[in-house]
Amino acid sequence: DGGITQSPKYLFRKEGQNVTLSCEQNLNHDAMYWYRQDPGQGLRLIYYSQIVNDFQKGDIAEGYSVSREKKESFPLTVTSAQKNPTAFYLCASSKGQSNQPQHFGDGTRLSIL
Amino acid sequence: AQSVAQPEDQVNVAEGNPLTVKCTYSVSGNPYLFWYVQYPNRGLQFLLKYITGDNLVKGSYGFEAEFNKSQTSFHLKKPSALVSDSALYFCAVSYNTNAGKSTFGDGTTLTVKP
Repeated sequence: DGGITQSPKYLFRKEGQNVTLSCEQNLNHDAMYWYRQDPGQGLRLIYYSQIVNDFQKGDIAEGYSVSREKKESFPLTVTSAQKNPTAFYLCASSKGQSNQPQHFGDGTRLSIL
Repeated sequence: AQSVAQPEDQVNVAEGNPLTVKCTYSVSGNPYLFWYVQYPNRGLQFLLKYITGDNLVKGSYGFEAEFNKSQTSFHLKKPSALVSDSALYFCAVSYNTNAGKSTFGDGTTLTVKP
């Protein structure tokens, strides 16, 4: 079945450590997105990519980095510069047009040790 | 610029009663509007969308939503609620020139009691 796979489901980070969250899709979608979800704050856009080898900052990009070397993959690195990384991270993809819905993975929950 | 507001953090209804989850939006240009549902520790699932045409949109699991341009609203409705409808619901808006990005509301927790 087509879909989006995020891994791992749970991740723990030590102080000063970078961690990378994986996102893979087999929907042949051009666009991919990373969101951060905190309780009561909805979804906030971190980065998005409309095409391979190109990506743009979203509303809260500081302390995060991404790459888009393949159409299927859009990994997110949470760097040590992100001082409050504890959150639920959601990856999504879409066909790229504004009238198309986004398809979401089941998220990665990141916590600080 | 675009924004979306879900004025109720929580909605409680009894099973079998009709439910409404409210959403209002602000966008420059014609909006594209979406509803998603999220169950605990899961990603969002797409329910329905309004692009153009008929103001009443039907979606998955018996949900529907009514687009009202004059009130800039897109309320989610269901004639008869089920306990299994209990979840977190998100309204989202995008428009034609924003590269496929959507702005999401803060979410409304729906609780359906038996």
